[in-house]
Amino acid sequence: KQEVTQIPAALSVPEGENLVLNCSFTDSAIYNLQWFRQDPGKGLTSLLLIQSSQREQTSGRLNASLDKSSGRSTLYIAASQPGDSATYLCAVRVGYQKVTFGTGTKLQVIP
Amino acid sequence: NAGVTQTPKFRVLKTGQSMTLLCAQDMNHEYMYWYRQDPGMGLRLIHYSVGEGTTAKGEVPDGYNVSRLKKQNFLLGLESAAPSQTSVYFCASLQGATGNQPQHFGDGTRLSIL
Repeated sequence: KQEVTQIPAALSVPEGENLVLNCSFTDSAIYNLQWFRQDPGKGLTSLLLIQSSQREQTSGRLNASLDKSSGRSTLYIAASQPGDSATYLCAVRVGYQKVTFGTGTKLQVIP
Repeated sequence: NAGVTQTPKFRVLKTGQSMTLLCAQDMNHEYMYWYRQDPGMGLRLIHYSVGEGTTAKGEVPDGYNVSRLKKQNFLLGLESAAPSQTSVYFCASLQGATGNQPQHFGDGTRLSIL
C-alpha cells in the first residue's frame, strides 16, 4: 500500500526566505507526482506535475524535484512571500484510479 | 474557464436525511472522482468514473452512491446521512490515464450532519 508522508506538518518562515517542503512515498512504481496548494476553505490548485520519467519541473519561483529511487520529492519556493501562505499537498498517482495524498504542510510566511 | 464546479458549497443536514452533491466539468475529461477530506487524514477516494455510464468504488464507498449519466456530470448521493459523513467533499477530473495529465479539483462542498 502506497503511503505518502509530508514533514513538517507546519512551517513558519520570515518573508524572503527560500524554503523546501518534503514529500516521501513508499512505492516507487508511480505515474506521476503532483504538488497542490490549498488555501483555507478552498479547493486544491495544481502547482506542478512531475512525470515518473522526469527529475524536476519549474514554474516561476517554484521548483519541484523527484527521486523515485529514494521515494522523495521536494518543492522549493524561492524568495517566499506572505501570499505563499497556504497548505501544500503532494499526491502520488499509480494509475487512473489510484492517487494517494499526503496530509500536507501548512506554510506561514511572516511579513 | 469554469473548470470543475461543485454545488452546493455548504449544506447542513440532519441525521437520516438524503441529498445529492453535483459536480460538473467543462473540459471534456473522461475520468471523474469524488474525495472526502478530513483533518489529519488527507483526501480519500469515495467513488470514481472512467467514462459516461461507468462508476466504481474507491477507498471509502460505504454510505455513498454515484451516477454519471452525462460525461460532464458526476453526482454523489447520501441516502441516509450520518454524523460520520461530516466532511469536505471534493470533486476532481482527469483527461486521461497517461502520466502527464494533472488532476483538476473543484472548490469543495462543506457538509455538516447533525
